[in-house]
Amino acid sequence: DGGITQSPKYLFRKEGQNVTLSCEQNLNHDAMYWYRQDPGQGLRLIYYSQIVNDFQKGDIAEGYSVSREKKESFPLTVTSAQKNPTAFYLCASAQTPTYEQYFGPGTRLTVT
Amino acid sequence: KQEVTQIPAALSVPEGENLVLNCSFTDSAIYNLQWFRQDPGKGLTSLLLIQSSQREQTSGRLNASLDKSSGRSTLYIAASQPGDSATYLCAANTGNQFYFGTGTSLTVIP
Repeated sequence: DGGITQSPKYLFRKEGQNVTLSCEQNLNHDAMYWYRQDPGQGLRLIYYSQIVNDFQKGDIAEGYSVSREKKESFPLTVTSAQKNPTAFYLCASAQTPTYEQYFGPGTRLTVT
Repeated sequence: KQEVTQIPAALSVPEGENLVLNCSFTDSAIYNLQWFRQDPGKGLTSLLLIQSSQREQTSGRLNASLDKSSGRSTLYIAASQPGDSATYLCAANTGNQFYFGTGTSLTVIP
């Protein structure tokens, strides 16, 4: 089955620890995205990547980092510098030229 | 910066009713507009994608329209069913980035 996988579904961390969220796609899409979703707010873009080894900051990149070493993979690291990391994180991919986005099931991160 | 607004924030209708969800955007220079459905605690499921050159798209009981000049899109759901209960989000694509509204939470009452 083609799609986007995110793991784990739930993640718990102590404050001050870095944590990496996984995102893998087998859709052969060029573009990949990371969003954060908080209650009552729309999705906010953290980082996006149009091609391998290149990525751009979104609106709320502070405290996050990414890598794009392979077309299929776009992991997100939430660093200890992120002031309010508890949220629902969604990964998406899209293929040119239509740019129709497809989403993974999400990872709910809780930091205490 | 593109801003996307969805009205109403919540909607409750009896089963069988036809309904319209609204999405407005401030910058008409969009590449496409996409409608999604999100169930609680889940990812987003794509419903319809309208390219900037198109006026509408249809899939089953769903019809989405796009009016770039007025910065508006509507999602029409015909003969609503309890299984349609979910949050519906629209996203305007400027080419590099997608800008999302906060969604309309729909409840269809049996």
